[in-house]
Amino acid sequence: QSALTQPASVSGSPGQSITISCTGTSSDVGSYNLVSWYQHHPGKAPKVMIYEGIKRPSGVSNRFSGSKYDKTASLTISGLQAEDEADYYCCSYAGSSTFVFGTGTKVTVL
Amino acid sequence: QLQLQESGSGLVRPSQTLSLTCAVSGGSISSGDYSWNWIRQPPGKGLEWIGSIYHSGNTYYNPSLKSRVTISVDRSKNQFSLRLSSVTAADTAVYYCARGDILTGFDYWGQGTLVTVSS
Repeated sequence: QSALTQPASVSGSPGQSITISCTGTSSDVGSYNLVSWYQHHPGKAPKVMIYEGIKRPSGVSNRFSGSKYDKTASLTISGLQAEDEADYYCCSYAGSSTFVFGTGTKVTVL
Repeated sequence: QLQLQESGSGLVRPSQTLSLTCAVSGGSISSGDYSWNWIRQPPGKGLEWIGSIYHSGNTYYNPSLKSRVTISVDRSKNQFSLRLSSVTAADTAVYYCARGDILTGFDYWGQGTLVTVSS
């Protein structure tokens, strides 16, 4: 069970859109539409932003959207804001009630 | 509002056993079909799922840690616990407890507690 692959960093200017990829295998991302995305500000608890690959929990801005193709899931943040600067992690169900996280992506708002 | 709070030793000697407890308030650990999870983050690294337990007592572990991990639940105290044996410096991390659901992900988290493995 290897960590899902994410870019180490992604940056954008306020108002722009950015996309973070999350690549897994046929044993996790490729087999299930069960990818969730977490926003993690240092020193705070992670917060779920997307679940089941495309759904937003109540209270999460519609600037956050998710998608998936084959073994790669993606998180798009549109209308980038300063408060979006954080670490982002994907997580996939990997079968047999187990989970695997991504390597994490640091988002910088320029 | 559901709240989770980790507690336990912040310093563990190498080769000893790390023990943490997660107290759940604002809801019952026995309600619903949720999993109760431990997740960790070593300094400067990413999140790692350690394992989970359901109120039924069924447990599931990360294959890479399975031989050293035990997660248990105490329904009378509304809490669940983590034991990680034979620790090394590589087990130094912030440990989080979280409620999980296969569909909706990990929706409630504790604030995390730093555990340092050092002699």
